[in-house]
Amino acid sequence: AQTVTQSQPEMSVQEAETVTLSCTYDTSENNYYLFWYKQPPSRQMILVIRQEAYKQQNATENRFSVNFQKAAKSFSLKISDSQLGDTAMYFCALVDSNYQLIWGAGTKLIIKP
Amino acid sequence: DSGVTQTPKHLITATGQRVTLRCSPRSGDLSVYWYQQSLDQGLQFLIQYYNGEERAKGNILERFSAQQFPDLHSELNLSSLELGDSALYFCASSPLTRSGNEQYFGPGTRLTVT
Repeated sequence: AQTVTQSQPEMSVQEAETVTLSCTYDTSENNYYLFWYKQPPSRQMILVIRQEAYKQQNATENRFSVNFQKAAKSFSLKISDSQLGDTAMYFCALVDSNYQLIWGAGTKLIIKP
Repeated sequence: DSGVTQTPKHLITATGQRVTLRCSPRSGDLSVYWYQQSLDQGLQFLIQYYNGEERAKGNILERFSAQQFPDLHSELNLSSLELGDSALYFCASSPLTRSGNEQYFGPGTRLTVT
């Protein structure tokens, strides 16, 4: 079965610091997609970044980047120059062969002023 | 703005009642997903429709049902409501192509059962 694990229930950092959120997964697929979603206090689910497994280059979206280690089945999210607006729940997700999203339990990130 | 709309935003109803939640997907997206999120919990996948047909079922109760109409909007029907059904219900849409399947979420409907 495909699984996604986020081992950090909660993290907090000071504004402007860099923070890395961990995600590991398990899949027997060779080609798949991974996502990070953000859910701020408004509870809107927002797609942050996506990674295609066959691409070796790590995806980047402005201050957000991933460290994708396919062999280790690791997909961590790095947030640089963190801002107060980055305070949110962050969910890691994997697309399975039936196009279903397998979700991690989430990491609550608090950015302190 | 994801392009996915959901109505109503808030719904308060009593136990035993029936409600209908509505979702309009992004333009061009054929696939619609429904999720339930209880307070401080992760997302629970309920059901997926693709171009009018049910494609996958998750942890959806028998009291719940959904459908997708020819114009691709979808409705989630919740009946015989219980206190435990109070949650945030999300609709998401995706194009469902081989190039990826990122899902775009609506703002959610917050259901309170009293």
